Amino acid sequence: RKEVEQDPGPFNVPEGATVAFNCTYSNSASQSFFWYRQDCRKEPKLLMSVYSSGNEDGRFTAQLNRASQYISLLIRDSKLSDSATYLCVVSPSGNTPLVFGKGTRLSVIA
Amino acid sequence: NAGVTQTPKFQVLKTGQSMTLQCAQDMNHNSMYWYRQDPGMGLRLIYYSASEGTTDKGEVPNGYNVSRLNKREFSLRLESAAPSQTSVYFCASSRSAGPEKLFFGSGTQLSVL
Repeated sequence: RKEVEQDPGPFNVPEGATVAFNCTYSNSASQSFFWYRQDCRKEPKLLMSVYSSGNEDGRFTAQLNRASQYISLLIRDSKLSDSATYLCVVSPSGNTPLVFGKGTRLSVIA
Repeated sequence: NAGVTQTPKFQVLKTGQSMTLQCAQDMNHNSMYWYRQDPGMGLRLIYYSASEGTTDKGEVPNGYNVSRLNKREFSLRLESAAPSQTSVYFCASSRSAGPEKLFFGSGTQLSVL
């Protein structure tokens, strides 16, 4: 089983739609979780951290389910500018480098 | 406000040629990383340097060498390029290794013919 797994998509949704991505991780000792966003032909950038209690940043909500070892990202009221690849990122433990999922591609259509 | 700067942005090599990708950060970060990204494979860690003076292998180190020249600079060398090394390479840095925000350079598109 790969360390971090994501559905590659693409998810094609109309503007204004709500879309959700899930990501599963295999290492139960993983401590920290993140979502990064990567635009086409650009570098990844941190979108948000994922906390145990869940967290919200505007139209974006991230949730963590430790028991089932998955994290989710919910985007409400999708905008054309949300079109990108969303990378699920896990910090295994201690000072080991972050592990990236392969990403989920989102296309928001007018 | 440079952040992480990597050069060159594009490079075409012939099989067997060598080259060095340069990376520098101006955020006083301790940790630096080199990733490659291939279609359908996601970001894969090649080498990283948790702190100045240390380097460690990542997931795909074969065919590469690195040098942490000082706290600011971390270079990646291909001694004898192969077509399998055609990829987009990203340098990144963070305050420390582990669960810290990564700051990425803008990438190098490398083609090996």
